Amino acid sequence: GENVEQHPSTLSVQEGDSAVIKCTYSDSASNYFPWYKQELGKRPQLIIDIRSNVGEKKDQRIAVTLNKTAKHFSLHITETQPEDSAVYFCAASKGNAGNMLTFGGGTRLMVKP
Amino acid sequence: DTAVSQTPKYLVTQMGNDKSIKCEQNLGHDTMYWYKQDSKKFLKIMFSYNNKELIINETVPNRFSPKSPDKAHLNLHINSLELGDSAVYFCASSRGSGVYNEQFFGPGTRLTVL
Repeated sequence: GENVEQHPSTLSVQEGDSAVIKCTYSDSASNYFPWYKQELGKRPQLIIDIRSNVGEKKDQRIAVTLNKTAKHFSLHITETQPEDSAVYFCAASKGNAGNMLTFGGGTRLMVKP
Repeated sequence: DTAVSQTPKYLVTQMGNDKSIKCEQNLGHDTMYWYKQDSKKFLKIMFSYNNKELIINETVPNRFSPKSPDKAHLNLHINSLELGDSAVYFCASSRGSGVYNEQFFGPGTRLTVL
């Protein structure tokens, strides 16, 4: 089955700096890669996603890149703000029935003011 | 308006008991899921239902039995609770069961087994 590894497990940055979180996946058939943000005690919420036919996608301060050959994808957050502090999860899915998401282990991002 | 809701929010119970968690979505989605998030925050899918039909069962013990009375509801019943069942359980839903469908999560139910 699919295996998704995520690094780092914790990341501390100064407000205004950039943050990068990296994930690798094992199943070359995976073709959908969402990123979820989970604030303390809250539900995971989708912040951005990318499909396998796209190399990069951007939404304001957030961008995701995908390297299908190397089977890795990354989340980039620029100009970080304290409200970006949360746990971020990457996930991978392929076109099989059920839309099964395999999640990475999560990255706890702390943005220091 | 709450899109995906779960009850109860907290559940504290003794080993060996049977308990249920309820989930409802008002998004008109066809597909619903149960995820388990352990103490290390690792999120793992347990079940997926599409139009009340089970389509994923990820090696979950038989003590866990999901039930979908209609498309808007997916309940999780757990028999003979064990200490290792302590976790946060999230329900989620998506418009369809195909890839690219965003999954919307409920607020979670924190289950503590003593």
